[in-house]
Amino acid sequence: DGGITQSPKYLFRKEGQNVTLSCEQNLNHDAMYWYRQDPGQGLRLIYYSQIVNDFQKGDIAEGYSVSREKKESFPLTVTSAQKNPTAFYLCASSIDRYSGTDEKLFFGSGTQLSVL
Amino acid sequence: SQQGEEDPQALSIQEGENATMNCSYKTSINNLQWYRQNSGRGLVHLILIRSNEREKHSGRLRVTLDTSKKSSSLLITASRAADTASYFCATGQIQGAQKLVFGQGTRLTINP
Repeated sequence: DGGITQSPKYLFRKEGQNVTLSCEQNLNHDAMYWYRQDPGQGLRLIYYSQIVNDFQKGDIAEGYSVSREKKESFPLTVTSAQKNPTAFYLCASSIDRYSGTDEKLFFGSGTQLSVL
Repeated sequence: SQQGEEDPQALSIQEGENATMNCSYKTSINNLQWYRQNSGRGLVHLILIRSNEREKHSGRLRVTLDTSKKSSSLLITASRAADTASYFCATGQIQGAQKLVFGQGTRLTINP
């Protein structure tokens, strides 16, 4: 089955620790995105990547880092600089980097990150 | 920054009734999309309407777009218990980077 796989489903972070959230897609999509969702809120864009080895900051990139070494993978690291990391993190992808925002997004099932 | 504002924030209706959710936005857009999210899950794309379109249908869904009022509505007809979810509008911006801006969502509950 084609789709987007996020892991783990639940993740706990200790103070001062960096944690990495995994996102893998087998849809052969060019573009990938990371969103943060707080309870009862909409989604806010953290980072996005339209092509391998290139990515752009979204609206709330501070305290996060990403890499895009392979087309299929777009891991997100929540660093210790992110002081309020508790949230639901969603990874998404879209087909063609040239289509811009006319493309629909395909989402993973999300990772719930909590602070111990 | 979040551009879409959805109304109402929560809606509870009886099964079989129609549900209407509204989305307002502030800047000019290329398109507007609606997504559905079941609790604790990812979002699922429902429908996309472009700025030069006024109405679009998909099954029991009807979406309208009024660019002069910068607003859109999502109508779900003959609601079912399985329609219980949160519904989000997302706008595709003309200016700026290639990304969608999501509203805060409407939480819809269908009572059997």
